[in-house]
Amino acid sequence: GEDVEQSLFLSVREGDSSVINCTYTDSSSTYLYWYKQEPGAGLQLLTYIFSNMDMKQDQRLTVLLNKKDKHLSLRIADTQTGDSAIYFCAEGNTGFQKLVFGTGTRLLVSP
Amino acid sequence: GAVVSQHPSWVICKSGTSVKIECRSLDFQATTMFWYRQFPKQSLMLMATSNEGSKATYEQGVEKDKFLINHASLTLSTLTVTSAHPEDSSFYICSVIGLAGGIVLDNEQFFGPGTRLTVL
Repeated sequence: GEDVEQSLFLSVREGDSSVINCTYTDSSSTYLYWYKQEPGAGLQLLTYIFSNMDMKQDQRLTVLLNKKDKHLSLRIADTQTGDSAIYFCAEGNTGFQKLVFGTGTRLLVSP
Repeated sequence: GAVVSQHPSWVICKSGTSVKIECRSLDFQATTMFWYRQFPKQSLMLMATSNEGSKATYEQGVEKDKFLINHASLTLSTLTVTSAHPEDSSFYICSVIGLAGGIVLDNEQFFGPGTRLTVL
């Protein structure tokens, strides 16, 4: 079945860039997503990328997709303390029948 | 995007009782709703998918008689945890896809804020 893996923890200093990595196994994925979850809250969609793209930039966020290696990354520029949260990558297919989530990466931003 | 609410936001109950969790889409016709559970420091696991007016489709390993899902309208789905036990303690999150302003938004799921269930 599908499997999505992430590193569990990342710690950075305020102002630095953060890079969160994700690998997936389903080559038929159409969309790849990044979600943010703050403590005790639901998920907030940050950005997503179509599988036929290799990069997408949205303000401080840059998503890179290496389809050959099935590797996805999220770069947050100028990381702020408010970016501290758990970040989930997820894969989905056309028609949005189901999302498969990664294990989540806890990002800690220190002043 | 759609605004999704869940009620209650947290609930504590005794073992053996049933608990109902509501998921509402406030400005959005939710043709499909998803229910997830999340254990502490773990990822979201899909429990079931429900389409308005039809029976839910449960993921493998999820007991449909224990987790009753009703999606009777385009704005409301309920998850009832029957005869809850401590191992059912978890964070339950719903998400929706559907229509907003006549436009089909099927490439994004909108998530509710979650309900924390603690069974004593």
